[in-house]
Amino acid sequence: GENVEQHPSTLSVQEGDSAVIKCTYSDSASNYFPWYKQELGKRPQLIIDIRSNVGEKKDQRIAVTLNKTAKHFSLHITETQPEDSAVYFCAFMEYGNKLVFGAGTILRVKS
Amino acid sequence: KAGVTQTPRYLIKTRGQQVTLSCSPISGHRSVSWYQQTPGQGLQFLFEYFSETQRNKGNFPGRFSGRQFSNSRSEMNVSTLELGDSALYLCASTTGGTGYHNEQFFGPGTRLTVL
Repeated sequence: GENVEQHPSTLSVQEGDSAVIKCTYSDSASNYFPWYKQELGKRPQLIIDIRSNVGEKKDQRIAVTLNKTAKHFSLHITETQPEDSAVYFCAFMEYGNKLVFGAGTILRVKS
Repeated sequence: KAGVTQTPRYLIKTRGQQVTLSCSPISGHRSVSWYQQTPGQGLQFLFEYFSETQRNKGNFPGRFSGRQFSNSRSEMNVSTLELGDSALYLCASTTGGTGYHNEQFFGPGTRLTVL
């Protein structure tokens, strides 16, 4: 079946540094790529998404880039803060609203 | 608008029993998807319902089933529970349609523990 590889599995950064999480997907027909943040004991929350007709999207300290040819997309968080500590999931959408998720990245921001 | 709600939030069952979980989507959303989240397997798609019809199904055994009512509320049922069914079950709602661009909103989940 379709899948997405996510790296790294854990990431520790110093407060104020940048964090980058990368994903590679298999479904070349997919046009929608969301990123979710999940804090301990809470639901996944959409933080940013990108559609295949753009290569980059930015929302304050968060940005996502997409390379459809290489089937790569990445999450960039600048000026990290302790409240950014969470698990981040990349995903792509198949037909019928099915999301295929990466394995997740545990981000720890040290103050 | 109120968010996606799920009941119950926590559930403890024993092997062999069955369980029914409920999900109420955001008002106006016609599509409800279910996911299983475990530490080992991550987030895995179970099935999606749109306008009371199952539109897509993941790779889970037939013990996992679901349905959707005319008001878009959805239930999922797991029969003959196994220890490996212990997980956080999340539902997500979206407006629906058949496009690829539908943002999904997750509920808080039901934590199922099978003893």
